Amino acid sequence: AQKITQTQPGMFVQEKEAVTLDCTYDTSDQSYGLFWYKQPSSGEMIFLIYQGSYDEQNATEGRYSLNFQKARKSANLVISASQLGDSAMYFCAMREYGSGNTGKLIFGQGTTLQVKP
Amino acid sequence: EAGVAQSPRYKIIEKRQSVAFWCNPISGHATLYWYQQILGQGPKLLIQFQNNGVVDDSQLPKDRFSAERLKGVDSTLKIQPAKLEDSAVYLCASSQDLGGYNEQFFGPGTRLTVL
Repeated sequence: AQKITQTQPGMFVQEKEAVTLDCTYDTSDQSYGLFWYKQPSSGEMIFLIYQGSYDEQNATEGRYSLNFQKARKSANLVISASQLGDSAMYFCAMREYGSGNTGKLIFGQGTTLQVKP
Repeated sequence: EAGVAQSPRYKIIEKRQSVAFWCNPISGHATLYWYQQILGQGPKLLIQFQNNGVVDDSQLPKDRFSAERLKGVDSTLKIQPAKLEDSAVYLCASSQDLGGYNEQFFGPGTRLTVL
């Protein structure tokens, strides 16, 4: 069964430093996608970055990069040069693309990130 | 392009009352999702529509929850009667289609408090 695990309930980082948020996943599908979302206190889910299971290079989007280690089934989010506005809840999610799958997202428990000035 | 709209943004009811949430997806998006997010947890899919048909409602508590998507556009999620454990944020999302990579766009959510 598909599952996402985020083992860090809360993280602190100093402003301008880099931080890594951990995510491990479990799936029997060969074709899947991994997503990271940011959820500020206002509640909206903001898409950050995507990695497909067949993508050979790690995804990058501005200050966000995804450290994809397929053999370890991990998809850690790296935020470089942290800003105060990065303080939020971060969710890792997975979507399976195999036959019969509906494309629903399975989310992890989330990690709360606080950026210190 | 307008985003996913949801209303109301907040709702407070007493247990055993009924409540309804409304979602208007991005124009042209065939797939619509309702997620329940309990405080401190990740969102959990309740029901998924493709146009006006149900694709997945395996985690919808059907004894009290119902949802419809008339004409394949707007959707309504209803709870009747509400329980204390239904207190959560209800997120609506839409995507262009079902298969392959289709980004899901989320609405602002409806925060429900059941007293």
